[in-house]
Amino acid sequence: ETGVTQTPRHLVMGMTNKKSLKCEQHLGHNAMYWYKQSAKKPLELMFVYNFKEQTENNSVPSRFSPECPNSSHLFLHLHTLQPEDSALYLCASSQVGAGEQFFGPGTRLTVL
Amino acid sequence: DQQVKQNSPSLSVQEGRISILNCDYTNSMFDYFLWYKKYPAEGPTFLISISSIKDKNEDGRFTVFLNKSAKHLSLHIVPSQPGDSAVYFCAAVLRAGSYQLTFGKGTKLSVIP
Repeated sequence: ETGVTQTPRHLVMGMTNKKSLKCEQHLGHNAMYWYKQSAKKPLELMFVYNFKEQTENNSVPSRFSPECPNSSHLFLHLHTLQPEDSALYLCASSQVGAGEQFFGPGTRLTVL
Repeated sequence: DQQVKQNSPSLSVQEGRISILNCDYTNSMFDYFLWYKKYPAEGPTFLISISSIKDKNEDGRFTVFLNKSAKHLSLHIVPSQPGDSAVYFCAAVLRAGSYQLTFGKGTKLSVIP
């Protein structure tokens, strides 16, 4: 595998379910990010991890819970989501201090 | 309040002609700008960037121009090819700060053969 991978690519869940999104980067980067892209909106940064430490949480509701066990892996744990949380969730990685971020293909999430 | 704006949601250009995608920003502290390209069902891919100390950066068919006084940047693609059809996102970053990228909403480019 190369670059940034995300699983699953598509996810449909009910509001009472618990699920997790997984991201893995094979680029040797030390920063990882979660973004949300809703229809007709810009990409919104959710969380930033530098060297496995969370450095940014952009007022994300607690029903989204990130986890970064090491510099190569990032998870987003989901529970009791709302239909308005349906969106494309993108993971990205970079070197700390670099402007360029490299994105995964995203997980298309639908909350019923 | 959107700090990075792409006011044209879509653009159609004939193959072989020039495509010009525009982006405006409001935060004068942004010091690094990037363009990303996104195909359907894929994540954005980095295309080209420019530092605020420059006014032009060129990479093959792609050139980015920065006008700091107008807080405006543009991406020129010449000649345009059908494979360039995608959504293009402008992004800005404060490198002295948290390195967060602030994105525009994107412009969908269609290159007509």
